Amino acid sequence: GQSLEQPSEVTAVEGAIVQINCTYQTSGFYGLSWYQQHDGGAPTFLSYNALDGLEETGRFSSFLSRSDSYGYLLLQELQMKDSASYFCAVRAPMTTDSWGKFQFGAGTQVVVTP
Amino acid sequence: NAGVTQTPKFQVLKTGQSMTLQCAQDMNHEYMSWYRQDPGMGLRLIHYSVGAGITDQGEVPNGYNVSRSTTEDFPLRLLSAAPSQTSVYFCASSPWRGTGGKETQYFGPGTRLLVL
Repeated sequence: GQSLEQPSEVTAVEGAIVQINCTYQTSGFYGLSWYQQHDGGAPTFLSYNALDGLEETGRFSSFLSRSDSYGYLLLQELQMKDSASYFCAVRAPMTTDSWGKFQFGAGTQVVVTP
Repeated sequence: NAGVTQTPKFQVLKTGQSMTLQCAQDMNHEYMSWYRQDPGMGLRLIHYSVGAGITDQGEVPNGYNVSRSTTEDFPLRLLSAAPSQTSVYFCASSPWRGTGGKETQYFGPGTRLLVL
């Protein structure tokens, strides 16, 4: 099975850098994904790591280390609009037990202050 | 493309009533899923499907039924609504692993359900 742990809340000021960690216990997965969700909205895809290392998408970067069972999302040059919940997620292997289903962490609320 | 659509946006039910939440996608995705989201609880998987005619249970399936007769549609049925089913319900779709794409899910806008 899989279990993903994230901090519940992170607060930072505009312009700062925030790192959201995701540690996991899993028997295997294809890659680590990150989603953003604003209050009242639907989750939207941010970033994906299939391999170990850093993936950069504009102000957002994501990192994965399978040997450490750990990943993170890095938000740079924080803006007020980045105030949202951020979820890490993994996809289980394609087996008769799991059929490639996704599992999400409980989410991290990021609060950006002026 | 409309992406993933869900109807209704809001619904109020009385305890014991049944209803169907509709979900459709026009991206020809094989994988579809239903989640519920309660305040502070993240996304919990109810049921999912890997193609027409194939469904499986997630972590919180009790009280819900699904079927997948077409690639496009994946309705969620509440058999006898209970106050504990008050939640926001999201439908999502994803291409099948091995298509070369990222392991990305596309979410619908959600259905807000209140059971009295």
